[in-house]
Amino acid sequence: GESVGLHLPTLSVQEGDNSIINCAYSNSASDYFIWYKQESGKGPQFIIDIRSNMDKRQGQRVTVLLNKTVKHLSLQIAATQPGDSAVYFCAEKDSSYKLIFGSGTRLLVRP
Amino acid sequence: EAGVAQSPRYKIIEKRQSVAFWCNPISGHATLYWYQQILGQGPKLLIQFQNNGVVDDSQLPKDRFSAERLKGVDSTLKIQPAKLEDSAVYLCASSSRAGEQFFGPGTRLTVL
Repeated sequence: GESVGLHLPTLSVQEGDNSIINCAYSNSASDYFIWYKQESGKGPQFIIDIRSNMDKRQGQRVTVLLNKTVKHLSLQIAATQPGDSAVYFCAEKDSSYKLIFGSGTRLLVRP
Repeated sequence: EAGVAQSPRYKIIEKRQSVAFWCNPISGHATLYWYQQILGQGPKLLIQFQNNGVVDDSQLPKDRFSAERLKGVDSTLKIQPAKLEDSAVYLCASSSRAGEQFFGPGTRLTVL
């Protein structure tokens, strides 16, 4: 399949380790944030979301942390697996409900 | 449940030619979106439909891009004439009202 991005920041982790992917967002009025996973040749896939009235939310093997003071979002993946290899995007929604995607991070999982 | 369908998956054209992309959203989803994803970047919203009406087309280059959703289901996005900088993946997504967006696999356009 085609490559999602050739010049993205890359995080390389050992299989089984935890991964942390960071994102800075731009609009202090944004009140809803989403992390997406995009595999080569596919569209973005929803992973987890968080509202601005929360600072942490956990899913299955994933945790999202929100720091509104510094407009920073992070995605933590526990026990990273080869199937987690993909490009990860954060996205923010403001009052207009428009999704604004950040720049992505490529996650490579070493066996 | 079937996902969002898009065709074609790949298209190669020369600059100044025309091209059209088709999207079939998830059944029952009233909201449909077209995004442009340039290599190495996140998707950028081009146009959003609610049923067959346009909600937001502020980032659609209207001199060359057009989109329609005549019966509130399928949608087509057209580029006429294409420029080199239009080379990108064009993603369609759909959602129930204000709900999670589900993306299709995209159409990869190469303009030579």
